[in-house]
Amino acid sequence: QVQLQESGPGLVKPSETLSLTCTVSGGSISSYYWTWIRQSPGKGLEWIGYMYHSGSTNYNPSLKNRVTISIDTSRNQISLKLNSVTAADTAVYYCARMEWESLKYWVDPWGQGTLVTVSS
Amino acid sequence: DIQMTQSPSSLSASIGDRVTITCRASQSIRNYLNWYQQKLGKAPKLLIYAASSLQSGVPSRFSGSGSGTDFTLTISSLQPEDFATYYCQQSFSTPLTFGQGTKLEIK
Repeated sequence: QVQLQESGPGLVKPSETLSLTCTVSGGSISSYYWTWIRQSPGKGLEWIGYMYHSGSTNYNPSLKNRVTISIDTSRNQISLKLNSVTAADTAVYYCARMEWESLKYWVDPWGQGTLVTVSS
Repeated sequence: DIQMTQSPSSLSASIGDRVTITCRASQSIRNYLNWYQQKLGKAPKLLIYAASSLQSGVPSRFSGSGSGTDFTLTISSLQPEDFATYYCQQSFSTPLTFGQGTKLEIK
């Protein structure tokens, strides 16, 4: 079965770039949408954006100018970059796969999540 | 953005109880509604998709219903492993949005 594992720095300084990688095992990245979602105590679960394996993307407008999601099919990895971070970006970041049927989408499975703290 | 509002925010119940959690969308989302369970320190887990379809491997005591703006998640007979936080999520339009969560606690 497909498993996802997030990795990256747990501490990022304000104004710098948050960079995370999600490694997919047990299945191919192809033919799926891949998404990043974050969870902070103050804002609950927040969808960041998704990318189709072919390269098309859709980002949350609240983050659109700062976020980039990319896919490396040769490594079965999905990456997240979030620029100009502030303390408000402190959260647990999850990568996940999106499944769909008749234009309905749902998120499954999820990675275990990785906590990123923004602090100097 | 479509706002998702869950009620109640927290709920105390006993083993064997029937429990219902509601989720209301700020506009019609047809049946583009999913439910997740999250245990402390773990990632959310999909329970129900497309409002009423049970995800493979999820016990049949979980069920979902609704369409348009009003949805419910029902647990027919609470088991000890069901005490967790539950979230609804709409996929009718982007940005995808989640409810604020319902924390289910042991009475």
